[in-house]
Amino acid sequence: SAVISQKPSRDICQRGTSLTIQCQVDSQVTMMFWYRQQPGQSLTLIATANQGSEATYESGFVIDKFPISRPNLTFSTLTVSNMSPEDSSIYLCSVARKDYGYTFGSGTRLTVV
Amino acid sequence: DAKTTQPTSMDCAEGRAANLPCNHSTISGNEYVYWYRQIHSQGPQYIIHGLKNNETNEMASLIITEDRKSSTLILPHATLRDTAVYYCIVRPRGWMDSSYKLIFGSGTRLLVRP
Repeated sequence: SAVISQKPSRDICQRGTSLTIQCQVDSQVTMMFWYRQQPGQSLTLIATANQGSEATYESGFVIDKFPISRPNLTFSTLTVSNMSPEDSSIYLCSVARKDYGYTFGSGTRLTVV
Repeated sequence: DAKTTQPTSMDCAEGRAANLPCNHSTISGNEYVYWYRQIHSQGPQYIIHGLKNNETNEMASLIITEDRKSSTLILPHATLRDTAVYYCIVRPRGWMDSSYKLIFGSGTRLLVRP
């Protein structure tokens, strides 16, 4: 399976600021996804990060709040913009490929104060 | 919306088999059943998947009913390290469409008791 490096692993941020989370994969992948996991909840898909084009967002998530970049087949970033305490969650990167299925990063634990 | 229904929580004794049910009554013929688990503070981990035949690997067995409307994940000898949230997910067959995303339901919280 792929090895995913997600950074930072955790952060504490002031409300009104932005945080950019990086996801680096050790091999080229077509499909990359970003998830949010609020405290005590399941994973919710934010968007599919498309290489060379705009991300595809799920209902309830917008590009202004969660801009995503995907400059190549091994890297993506998710920015959480203008943060509020309600954005405190774990954010996870996931990749998928035919030969090994889906792999998840260890997540970024974000606390907004 | 998730296409599966799972019990909120279950428990079993260490060393015994853990049988986790999943209902997916609206599954279509080209959809796989996937199982993942999430141990506290970690990313989800793949366990097993199947289409219509029973499957077994080093971690677990997957039993899918003949009508494919439900399945059971079996951990044959549960250990304390199997305590986790288990997710049953249905996903379309194939890898050509980049929209084949995994949609998680609420899962089953399994507690393995000493």
